[in-house]
Amino acid sequence: DIQMTQSPSTLSASVGDRVTITCRASQSISRWLAWYQQKPGKAPNLLIYKASSLESGVPSRFSGSGSGTEFTLTISSLQPDDFATYYCQQYNTYSGTFGQGTKVEIK
Amino acid sequence: QVQLVESGGGVVQPGGSLRLSCAASGFTFSTYGMHWVRQAPGKGLEWVAFIQYDGSNKYYPDSVKGRFTISRDNSKNTLYLQVNSLRAEDTAVYYCAKDHFLSGSYPYYFDYWGQGTLVTVSS
Repeated sequence: DIQMTQSPSTLSASVGDRVTITCRASQSISRWLAWYQQKPGKAPNLLIYKASSLESGVPSRFSGSGSGTEFTLTISSLQPDDFATYYCQQYNTYSGTFGQGTKVEIK
Repeated sequence: QVQLVESGGGVVQPGGSLRLSCAASGFTFSTYGMHWVRQAPGKGLEWVAFIQYDGSNKYYPDSVKGRFTISRDNSKNTLYLQVNSLRAEDTAVYYCAKDHFLSGSYPYYFDYWGQGTLVTVSS
């Protein structure tokens, strides 16, 4: 089974900061990776698919990059609405493994 | 607009069973694969089942294989998850989610989610 590891687990940042979250796969998944944002008590929301494609309606301050085993989610200028938990998800195999999540907190 | 509404959660004793439902609207249900994803309290997301748009293929992770069964009724626009032999570690919010790809045969990623239904396994 493919394992997904995110880092860091928690990130403290201020409004306006550039934020980068890393997701590593235990084996190559090409570009078959999605990113989600989840706020407390709510369902996740799709941000990025195929490693770097922005979902319709998602602000352009969100971007994704990477291929193979290493991927990043970048928020170019953190906004108050962005404090949340972020998950990566691989869909290379006949499964949908998630990373353990990265919580973005207010510094 | 796409709507997914889960129901059927509740408190069940270890070893018990439940049938979760997800009523779908706002899209052509019979042309999209569907998933169940769960989240234990305070924990991360875990994908637990996928069913192809016509019900012909189903996929599960090893953690639930043999205990969980996903099914769908395209005439009723409804997705189901039969959960058997429940354990304390199955306690979670269970979300249904729509797969992105039209007529997809394999699990990809999730573009719409329901609000979830809570399953609590406790004696």
